[in-house]
Order: sequence, then structure tokens, then C-alpha cells
Amino acid sequence: AQSVTQPDIHITVSEGASLELRCNYSYGATPYLFWYVQSPGQGLQLLLKYFSGDTLVQGIKGFEAEFKRSQSSFNLRKPSVHWSDAAEYFCAVGSASGSARQLTFGSGTQLTVLP
Amino acid sequence: DTGVSQDPRHKITKRGQNVTFRCDPISEHNRLYWYRQTLGQGPEFLTYFQNEAQLEKSRLLSDRFSAERPKGSFSTLEIQRTEQGDSAMYLCASSSPGTGGFPNEKLFFGSGTQLSVL
Repeated sequence: AQSVTQPDIHITVSEGASLELRCNYSYGATPYLFWYVQSPGQGLQLLLKYFSGDTLVQGIKGFEAEFKRSQSSFNLRKPSVHWSDAAEYFCAVGSASGSARQLTFGSGTQLTVLP
Repeated sequence: DTGVSQDPRHKITKRGQNVTFRCDPISEHNRLYWYRQTLGQGPEFLTYFQNEAQLEKSRLLSDRFSAERPKGSFSTLEIQRTEQGDSAMYLCASSSPGTGGFPNEKLFFGSGTQLSVL
């Protein structure tokens, strides 16, 4: 069965600092990987996704993520965090033969941005 | 605002009562999903509609839960005889086949209905 682990429940960074959110997945074949962001009172929004090709993927809002098969990781990064990035971030994995209804989400990382 | 609206935003009920939530997807979207998100966890899939047909239900969806999507437009999720364990955020998402099949399918999530069962 597929699974996702986000080791950090809560991360605090200063505005302008760099950010890396960790995600480790467990899946037997090539996974489809996603990062979503959930701001307070808002629905989830897709930041980026990976399913083939270049292992470094660019997303919206200046985010990027790198797929590392050897480490079963798909960490999210941003070079300079803005106060508006404060939110909860979810990593998700899906199967190549599956669909959006078979996405497995991690438990999330809450990001706090200090002024 | 993603265009997916959910009503109500918050619902407080007593154990044993029935509750119903509504989701209005983006008008041209024929696919509709319900997810449940408990505190400190990511969303978990509950059920999926394509047009008015309910094509899949998770084993999380006990027989106290029922979902409908009459005429393939809005959807309702009803929970009968609520239990404290039903307390969660219930999220609705919709998508269009025009965005492609998975993984290109783009889900638009609503803001959710927060249910508290006392």
C-alpha cells in the first residue's frame, strides 16, 4: 500500500529565509507525487506535481520540489519565504494506474513565517 | 475562491443527530469528490461521482453515510446518527475531463464544512 510521511509537524522560518519541507513516500512502482497548500479557511490548492521527466519540478508561487528515487523523497523548497506562505502543506502520492480518488495524503506540515 | 462552494462552513450537532452538507461544484465540472480531514491528518477519500453516478465509495464510508448528486450538479453528504468520531472537516472537490485524466486531472477544492459532534 502506498503511504506518505511528512516528518515535520510544524516548521517556523523567518521571512526571506529559505524553506525545505520534507516528504517521504512508500510505493512499489513509479509514484505520482504532489504538493498541496491549505491556507486557513481555504481549500487545498495544487502547488506542483511530478510523474515523469525532469526530477526537479517548478510550481506556482515560486515553489519547487525534487524527486529523489534513491531516497524515496519529494521535498518542497522555496529560496525566500514570504509572510503569505504561512499555511499547511500536504504531500500526496498516487499510483500510475489510479486516479485522483486514490491519492494518499501525508499528515501535513504547518508553516509559520516570522516577520 | 476556487469556485467550489460548500455549505454550511461550520456545523455543531449533538451525538445521534443527522446532518447534511451541500457542495456546489464548478458548473462545467462533471466529477465530484468528497474527502474527510481529521485534525492533524491529511484528507482521506470518501466517495466519487461522475455526473450523477456514484462510482466509488471508500470503506471509510460506513452505512450511516450517504451521498447523492441528483442531476449531476450539486451534491449532498448526509451522516445519520452522528458519532463523536465523525467530527472532522468534510471537503468537496470537483474536476473536469477537459483537464485530462489522472495525473493531469486538476482538482478544485472547496473550503470545507467543519463538523463538531458534541
